Amino acid sequence: EAQVTQNPRYLITVTGKKLTVTCSQNMNHEYMSWYRQDPGLGLRQIYYSMNVEVTDKGDVPEGYKVSRKEKRNFPLILESPSPNQTSLYFCASSLVGGSYGYTFGSGTRLTVV
Amino acid sequence: EDQVTQSPEALRLQEGESSSLNCSYTVSGLRGLFWYRQDPGKGPEFLFTLYSAGEEKEKERLKATLTKKESFLHITAPKPEDSATYLCAVQGNQGGKLIFGQGTELSVKP
Repeated sequence: EAQVTQNPRYLITVTGKKLTVTCSQNMNHEYMSWYRQDPGLGLRQIYYSMNVEVTDKGDVPEGYKVSRKEKRNFPLILESPSPNQTSLYFCASSLVGGSYGYTFGSGTRLTVV
Repeated sequence: EDQVTQSPEALRLQEGESSSLNCSYTVSGLRGLFWYRQDPGKGPEFLFTLYSAGEEKEKERLKATLTKKESFLHITAPKPEDSATYLCAVQGNQGGKLIFGQGTELSVKP
């Protein structure tokens, strides 16, 4: 089944403890991206990658890191999480151009206390 | 600055009562306008991509249209299972950047 898989689905952590949210797709898509979704603010893009070793900032990159060493994986790293990073996170992938739409993962609900 | 505004924020319909959702946008060089459906606690589900003014696409009870400044998602004779949040997004000439509107929460009562 074609899909984007995120792990974990739920995570509660403490301020300052480094964490990684994994994202993997099995559709051979070039493009991958991370979003956060907050009430009243909608979906906001954090980082995106047009292909292996090519990453760029979205609208809200502060406090996040990404890497794209393989085509299928695009992990999101929070080096020192803070409570304002509590949010619902989504990973998405598509063929470049998005003609067939972006496929989203099921989401990771992160709580930083 | 690229921007997407959706209206209304929420819409309540009776089953069978047709209506339209609006997505107004400003973008440098539109490369694509996307409509998604999102159910609570789930990831957005792709519905349509529109590329140029005058383009229309249909899927079951949904029809999306595009002008140079806005897009409409028309819902004909909706059913309760059409209840969801509908999201509009645009991609401009910056390539990978995708800008979302805040969505319209649709509720269809039997």
